[in-house]
Amino acid sequence: EPEVTQTPSHQVTQMGQEVILRCVPISNHLYFYWYRQILGQKVEFLVSFYNNEISEKSEIFDDQFSVERPDGSNFTLKIRSTKLEDSAMYFCASSGLTGLNYEQYFGPGTRLTVT
Amino acid sequence: EDKVVQSPLSLVVHEGDTVTLNCSYEVTNFRSLLWYKQEKKAPTFLFMLTSSGIEKKSGRLSSILDKKELFSILNITATQTGDSAVYLCAVSPPSGSRLTFGEGTQLTVNP
Repeated sequence: EPEVTQTPSHQVTQMGQEVILRCVPISNHLYFYWYRQILGQKVEFLVSFYNNEISEKSEIFDDQFSVERPDGSNFTLKIRSTKLEDSAMYFCASSGLTGLNYEQYFGPGTRLTVT
Repeated sequence: EDKVVQSPLSLVVHEGDTVTLNCSYEVTNFRSLLWYKQEKKAPTFLFMLTSSGIEKKSGRLSSILDKKELFSILNITATQTGDSAVYLCAVSPPSGSRLTFGEGTQLTVNP
């Protein structure tokens, strides 16, 4: 069964450093997303991406964040200068477009720890 | 601001019990409501509901949506210890873009 994959599973970085989180969405999917979940809190939407551009972003997704689809398979989230409050689980998701099918399928997540 | 509220936040039952999890929502634009199961890490998809009153069923799990009263329930019959997880409810706007999640219900099934 196709699945979303993410690397690394855990990333530890120092405050102020740049990190890139990587995702490989399900191969025939067209929409890609990043969400985050701070420990003990809700899953929060960050950004959606379609046709090589951002289709929607939340207020959390400020200038420190960027997304890219550098090739036909990867989808990345970059945090330019990490802050302590960026520590969270980051989930990538993808969805296809089959009629009205908008189910989003999530990857296993990358736990980001900023020290 | 879109809002999704789940109840109860936590539930402990014995194997074989039936549970009902609740999700209510207040959103500006609604297209569908989704249920996910989150064990250790990734939320795994369970159901997507777009129409009122039509039950979706998968094995011991079933779910239904009431668009007039703005809520959904997820039922699990004959619970097993493997059902222990956080169950997440999320709503999707017509664009199908951002999902707005509730806090989740932590279900613990004891043997």
